[in-house]
Amino acid sequence: DTGVSQDPRHKITKRGQNVTFRCDPISEHNRLYWYRQTLGQGPEFLTYFQNEAQLEKSRLLSDRFSAERPKGSFSTLEIQRTEQGDSAMYLCASSLDENTEAFFGQGTRLTVV
Amino acid sequence: AQRVTQPEKLLSVFKGAPVELKCNYSYSGSPELFWYVQYSRQRLQLLLRHISRESIKGFTADLNKGETSFHLKKPFAQEEDSAMYYCALRIGNNDMRFGAGTRLTVKP
Repeated sequence: DTGVSQDPRHKITKRGQNVTFRCDPISEHNRLYWYRQTLGQGPEFLTYFQNEAQLEKSRLLSDRFSAERPKGSFSTLEIQRTEQGDSAMYLCASSLDENTEAFFGQGTRLTVV
Repeated sequence: AQRVTQPEKLLSVFKGAPVELKCNYSYSGSPELFWYVQYSRQRLQLLLRHISRESIKGFTADLNKGETSFHLKKPFAQEEDSAMYYCALRIGNNDMRFGAGTRLTVKP
């Protein structure tokens, strides 16, 4: 499968723990996006990268959320001190550039207990 | 405020019947609108975008700036069209605002 890959697919964590999710975009895709999707809602934009540069992070939900894409390839999304309200599906997408279609991964489902 | 509204959470039609999934948006700039689809157990994927003015899988959507709408239509629904449909509005070059989605069920 040469599509966008996310790992893990599911994560259960205790409240207060830190979690990190990984996204591997389609090879040669310069843009990488992170979204959050809660039950009954559409995806909610969080942040995006152009190569290794994080060009938008004001939509990250709080300072507990951070994302990196150190070499312009894979990306990680970290949530520190998780709360029950962080339980959601976290989606990653990538595109060649700003004008081309974004392809989504299958997501990481986070459950905070 | 920039917003996308999909008024129907659920829509059910019979096979062969016309289907229309409604989408309204709120945006002061020049809108760029999309429809995404998610079939059961599959990832979210782009169905169509208004600037392409294309028909995909028999679906079309016309941007109506006067009514601020981008409804998705298909004249004859098929069972394989059953899925979750999301309307989305792109703001700037990166921020995509999605509606809450409409679950379409096409009954045999």
